[in-house]
Amino acid sequence: GDSVTQMEGPVTLSEEAFLTINCTYTATGYPSLFWYVQYPGEGLQLLLKATKADDKGSNKGFEATYRKETTSFHLEKGSVQVSDSAVYFCALSGHSGGGADGLTFGKGTHLIIQP
Amino acid sequence: DTAVSQTPKYLVTQMGNDKSIKCEQNLGHDTMYWYKQDSKKFLKIMFSYNNKELIINETVPNRFSPKSPDKAHLNLHINSLELGDSAVYFCASSPASSAPGYTFGSGTRLTVV
Repeated sequence: GDSVTQMEGPVTLSEEAFLTINCTYTATGYPSLFWYVQYPGEGLQLLLKATKADDKGSNKGFEATYRKETTSFHLEKGSVQVSDSAVYFCALSGHSGGGADGLTFGKGTHLIIQP
Repeated sequence: DTAVSQTPKYLVTQMGNDKSIKCEQNLGHDTMYWYKQDSKKFLKIMFSYNNKELIINETVPNRFSPKSPDKAHLNLHINSLELGDSAVYFCASSPASSAPGYTFGSGTRLTVV
């Protein structure tokens, strides 16, 4: 079945550092890929998404490119802030549409940004 | 104007009790879901409902039963609660159309004592 693997945390960085959180996936067909963020004590918020190969999703300074050849969707940000501290989830949807399959999530990466 | 709302936000109950968590979405989406997030933050889908039909039922104990009175609501009923049911439960919805988009509720933290 479908699966998502992302780097284990916690990841601790200093403010203004460059961020990369790796994510790779296994899926049949052409999944859509997502990054969700969960701030402490809150629910899940969609950060960005990409629906086909070579698409780049971006939001709030974060970017991720759908790489079919390497089955990856790594999350990057050029200069992190303390307010970026949260848990980040990579996820895929097995269909290009909303689909009743729902989302398959990675285990989450806890990001801690120190001032 | 909350898109996906869940109630209650917190639920503390004793083992053996029966409880329900309610979810409503005002987005006009066709499919609704329940996800469970365990203590290690791992998220796993439990159910999805599309036009009142159960589409997915992962390996979830039959003590858990989703109930959908209409397209905008998907409630989660849990019988005979166990300690291991303690988790955060998230409701979500998505359109059935081609544009992928999942909107999550803010979660219900269930604690079984």
